[in-house]
Amino acid sequence: GDSVTQMEGPVTLSEEAFLTINCTYTATGYPSLFWYVQYPGEGLQLLLKATKADDKGSNKGFEATYRKETTSFHLEKGSVQVSDSAVYFCALSGDSGYSTLTFGKGTMLLVSP
Amino acid sequence: EADIYQTPRYLVIGTGKKITLECSQTMGHDKMYWYQQDPGMELHLIHYSYGVNSTEKGDLSSESTVSRIRTEHFPLTLESARPSHTSQYLCASILRDTQYFGPGTRLTVL
Repeated sequence: GDSVTQMEGPVTLSEEAFLTINCTYTATGYPSLFWYVQYPGEGLQLLLKATKADDKGSNKGFEATYRKETTSFHLEKGSVQVSDSAVYFCALSGDSGYSTLTFGKGTMLLVSP
Repeated sequence: EADIYQTPRYLVIGTGKKITLECSQTMGHDKMYWYQQDPGMELHLIHYSYGVNSTEKGDLSSESTVSRIRTEHFPLTLESARPSHTSQYLCASILRDTQYFGPGTRLTVL
């Protein structure tokens, strides 16, 4: 079945540091890939997505590129802020037609001033 | 963007009580989902629906039940709550290929 593996956290960075959160996936066919962010006490918000190979999703300074050859969708940001502290989830939606999401276990990011 | 509403946001109840967590959306989306999020943050799909009168169990076995009598409404019910049901419950619906989530209900069963 489909699965998503993302790096364990917490990831602790200083403000303005470069961020990478690794995400790899296993799926049949051509899944869509997503990054969601969850701030404390809130639900998940879509951060960015990519629907086909070599697509780059971007939003709020975050980027991720759909790499089919390495089955990866790593999240990056050039300069993190304290306000980026949250839990980040990588997810995929398979092409079975049921539109269910398979999530990674989440990576907590802590950014200090 | 989709607007998903969940009530209550927080609920503390005693063991054995029956509870219903409400989820609604006004966008007319057919597909809706319930996730359970454990304290370790991991998300588990417990129920989903493709439309009125359609409900399916998800990947994680759950003692909760759901109903879908109206398109906009997808409530989740626990007939007899137990401390093991303490968790955050997240509802979502789908617009095109993207799921949008409500703010969640944090349930504590004493």
